[in-house]
Amino acid sequence: DGGITQSPKYLFRKEGQNVTLSCEQNLNHDAMYWYRQDPGQGLRLIYYSQIVNDFQKGDIAEGYSVSREKKESFPLTVTSAQKNPTAFYLCASSIRGQAVVGRNTEAFFGQGTRLTVV
Amino acid sequence: RKEVEQDPGPFNVPEGATVAFNCTYSNSASQSFFWYRQDCRKEPKLLMSVYSSGNEDGRFTAQLNRASQYISLLIRDSKLSDSATYLCVVNTIKAAGNKLTFGGGTRVLVKP
Repeated sequence: DGGITQSPKYLFRKEGQNVTLSCEQNLNHDAMYWYRQDPGQGLRLIYYSQIVNDFQKGDIAEGYSVSREKKESFPLTVTSAQKNPTAFYLCASSIRGQAVVGRNTEAFFGQGTRLTVV
Repeated sequence: RKEVEQDPGPFNVPEGATVAFNCTYSNSASQSFFWYRQDCRKEPKLLMSVYSSGNEDGRFTAQLNRASQYISLLIRDSKLSDSATYLCVVNTIKAAGNKLTFGGGTRVLVKP
């Protein structure tokens, strides 16, 4: 089955430690995204990538880093520089480029990773 | 001003009633638009795409008004299972590629 997988589902880390969240997709999508969601809030874009070895900062990139060495994978590292890392992290993928009739550019999401820093 | 804005609600809706809410976007170059549904502590799931003048899917109708830069979602004959947060998503094509921006969500509570 095609889909997008995030792991782990729950993650606990001590303050000051870096932690890497995994995101893998087998949908053959070029574009991948990382979002952060805080309780009662919408999704905020951290980083996005349209092709291998290229990625762009989103609206809240400070304290995060990503890599895109393979089309299928877009891991997110939450560094110790991120002041409030506890949140729900969602990875998504989509096709790249313009929407035309019959070509949907909607995003498909993984199940998310709940990160708690103690 | 936020790129994508929604009324957070909650909209308290009697079962069987109709509810409608809007989402405004600031970038006139935005290409395509979507409504997602998110249940508590779950990932968002696509409800509808809105590409041109709008579309209907069963009890759900989405409209796009490019002149005023907003999209709307209408739910007819509300069911208890429609209780969720509805997220508006705007896709803007930039030089760096597609940028999908989410609104803060509108919470809908359908009550018996």
